[in-house]
Amino acid sequence: DTGVSQDPRHKITKRGQNVTFRCDPISEHNRLYWYRQTLGQGPEFLTYFQNEAQLEKSRLLSDRFSAERPKGSFSTLEIQRTEQGDSAMYLCASTSRTGTGELFFGEGSRLTVL
Amino acid sequence: SQQGEEDPQALSIQEGENATMNCSYKTSINNLQWYRQNSGRGLVHLILIRSNEREKHSGRLRVTLDTSKKSSSLLITASRAADTASYFCATAAEGFKTIFGAGTRLFVKA
Repeated sequence: DTGVSQDPRHKITKRGQNVTFRCDPISEHNRLYWYRQTLGQGPEFLTYFQNEAQLEKSRLLSDRFSAERPKGSFSTLEIQRTEQGDSAMYLCASTSRTGTGELFFGEGSRLTVL
Repeated sequence: SQQGEEDPQALSIQEGENATMNCSYKTSINNLQWYRQNSGRGLVHLILIRSNEREKHSGRLRVTLDTSKKSSSLLITASRAADTASYFCATAAEGFKTIFGAGTRLFVKA
């Protein structure tokens, strides 16, 4: 499968623990996006990368959140000291620099904080 | 933050009927896109319309864009039960930052 891959698909953790999500974009895509989605809402923009450079970070992303894309390929999103309000679906998407801007999404990583 | 709002929030129709969803946004855009999401899954791109285009078709989908009113509509003709999903509009401005609306939940009854 050559689509966007996210891991893990589901994560249950206790409040205060750290969690990390990984996203493997489509191989030739240079832009990578992270979104957060809660039940019944649309995806909320968190951050995006062009190659390894993080171009923008939402004010929603508190200092407990950090995202990296060290070699311009896969990306990780880490949440430190999780809170119950962090429970959501974390979606990753990628797109090609030469494309129209259409985003290709992974299936998401669902986080439940107890 | 979310760029725009979809209207209606929810829509229930019979199979075979047309479904129309509207999207309004706030800032200047390069393009507007529509996505579909089945429950618990990722989003799937449906169609993209550029800011200098007014209408676009793809199969049973028709999208219009009115930049003067900062609004777009998605029409699904001859709907099927399999069209049941959430539909989101998304806008992209300079720099390709893409922002989504809150979505319309469509239910098509067989």
